[in-house]
Amino acid sequence: DAKTTQPNSMESNEEEPVHLPCNHSTISGTDYIHWYRQLPSQGPEYVIHGLTSNVNNRMASLAIAEDRKSSTLILHRATLRDAAVYYCILSGMDRGSTLGRLYFGRGTQLTVWP
Amino acid sequence: NAGVTQTPKFRVLKTGQSMTLLCAQDMNHEYMYWYRQDPGMGLRLIHYSVGEGTTAKGEVPDGYNVSRLKKQNFLLGLESAAPSQTSVYFCASSSTRVQFFGPGTRLTVL
Repeated sequence: DAKTTQPNSMESNEEEPVHLPCNHSTISGTDYIHWYRQLPSQGPEYVIHGLTSNVNNRMASLAIAEDRKSSTLILHRATLRDAAVYYCILSGMDRGSTLGRLYFGRGTQLTVWP
Repeated sequence: NAGVTQTPKFRVLKTGQSMTLLCAQDMNHEYMYWYRQDPGMGLRLIHYSVGEGTTAKGEVPDGYNVSRLKKQNFLLGLESAAPSQTSVYFCASSSTRVQFFGPGTRLTVL
């Protein structure tokens, strides 16, 4: 399965936008790009996912490069509650039993300063 | 809705003991998963199930067994616990590409 590369850590000030980058140069044409986050001592939480077009939801925006070899998760106004580990994950199309399989890397630890 | 729940929240075992972790979901999801997370690492898939009565191996299945007798429950068993199985275990369920995770079980094997 295709792997992703993320910075180990990033920092932001509260109420400022945050851009979390992810490289996935070996992505296949049918791989979806997922973002999950994990707050301290909790299970991962779904943030957003997309295939080719940019996506927006109430939590964040996902900007996908035209060649799909990189993407950026955008938090428009960081809050202290957004401090978490953010995982960028590729997930393939339905291959029978592999539907939904997620391969987590180490993610990016986001620190938000008040 | 409770979402995904896990029992127990914490457990300490001695080497060689056995135990079962229970995952329950009330969202009528077809797919269920068991992951483990070691300190400073991402999650690794142990076993998963694509429906009632079916299970399959993930990345790190050795030393674990699973059963999915009911659609809403997914059990993870350790027959003979080893210190290397000290970890936090997360269960998840999904019906589409989005997985919903439980709060985790922290297991220590002495």
